[in-house]
Amino acid sequence: DIQMTQSPSSLSASVGDRVTITCRASQSISSYLNWYQQKPGKAPKLLIYAASSLQSGVPSRFSGSGSGTDFTLTISSLQPEDFATYYCQQSYSTAITFGQGTRLEIK
Amino acid sequence: EVQLVQSGAEVKKPGESLKISCKGSGYSFTSYWIGWVRQMPGKGLEWMGIIYPGDSDTRYSPSFQGQVTISADKSISTAYLQWSSLKASDTAMYYCARHSGITGTTGWFDPWGQGTLVTVSS
Repeated sequence: DIQMTQSPSSLSASVGDRVTITCRASQSISSYLNWYQQKPGKAPKLLIYAASSLQSGVPSRFSGSGSGTDFTLTISSLQPEDFATYYCQQSYSTAITFGQGTRLEIK
Repeated sequence: EVQLVQSGAEVKKPGESLKISCKGSGYSFTSYWIGWVRQMPGKGLEWMGIIYPGDSDTRYSPSFQGQVTISADKSISTAYLQWSSLKASDTAMYYCARHSGITGTTGWFDPWGQGTLVTVSS
């Protein structure tokens, strides 16, 4: 299986901060990388697909980049509603895998 | 509106069987793969498997192969996840989600069902 490793595992930040979360794949996955946001008690929500495409309805402060093995999710200016857990997911392999998650907390 | 609606929370005893459901609406149910994802209490997301309702082609994560069965009834636009003998370690939230990829890979999950909480306790 392709292993997905996110860093950091948790992060404290303030409203207005610029935040970057990293996801590394154990082998090249081209651009087959997606990002999800999950709030407590809620189902995950798709933010970014194919590494850098913004899902419809998602605020433009969210962006994704990368290809091969290294990817980033950036939130340009944190808003109160952005405090949540973020997961990356590879869809290169038939065995789909998720990263372990990054919990974004209010400082 | 594309929507997946899952069946309600379940409380079961170890050794019991269970089948939970995921009903799709607002799109051609037979044209998209449906995946199942487990989230144990306080933990991350784990992909369990995926099914193409059009022909019931199914793939499982090695971690879940033989532990669960994924099926679908295209006549009622519903996918299922079932256990023949539950264990306490099956206690988790289970999500279904529509997959965008034609082959069940190279795509993404959107939308997601609201989740079904399964509690297994004696």
